[in-house]
Amino acid sequence: GEDVEQSLFLSVREGDSSVINCTYTDSSSTYLYWYKQEPGAGLQLLTYIFSNMDMKQDQRLTVLLNKKDKHLSLRIADTQTGDSAIYFCAEKEDSSYKLIFGSGTRLLVRP
Amino acid sequence: KAGVTQTPRYLIKTRGQQVTLSCSPISGHRSVSWYQQTPGQGLQFLFEYFSETQRNKGNFPGRFSGRQFSNSRSEMNVSTLELGDSALYLCASSSGQGTNEQFFGPGTRLTVL
Repeated sequence: GEDVEQSLFLSVREGDSSVINCTYTDSSSTYLYWYKQEPGAGLQLLTYIFSNMDMKQDQRLTVLLNKKDKHLSLRIADTQTGDSAIYFCAEKEDSSYKLIFGSGTRLLVRP
Repeated sequence: KAGVTQTPRYLIKTRGQQVTLSCSPISGHRSVSWYQQTPGQGLQFLFEYFSETQRNKGNFPGRFSGRQFSNSRSEMNVSTLELGDSALYLCASSSGQGTNEQFFGPGTRLTVL
């Protein structure tokens, strides 16, 4: 069945790196996404990775994909207080256009 | 390019009533997806429309329905509202093909009393 899991909470100090982890179960997933949600707002697409890639870097963001273990991570370099938000990973099934979301990881950046 | 717009932003209804929410996608996008977000269940897929046809459907009761117009704008309707329908309803716009990056609107916060 479809399931995406994330740890619930992460606290880091400003300037440190943050690593948010996600595991998924659907081996037919073709694309995996990271979204950010700030209080009272919708979801902001941060980045995505195709399932045949191992890594993707976009400015301060690095996505790592271990397809064998179905493990996805998002690394935020030089984390700032403005990065405090909830981060969701999501997978897209190969056979449909719906996204399956994890429960979200709340990132708190301490000054 | 304008983003995804949703109206209204906030809505208060009572049990048994019905509600219609509206979503205007990014210009050129032909796919609109709807999601329900609650603290208990997280983000759950409702349905997806592409070129006026429902292409995918989630596991929600028939009280939840939607449609898409020829200009790609979409509406979702919830009839016979229940307290548990209180949620943030998010609409996402995409090309509906390829990488299917979905861009979300700000959501409609529905409160059922």
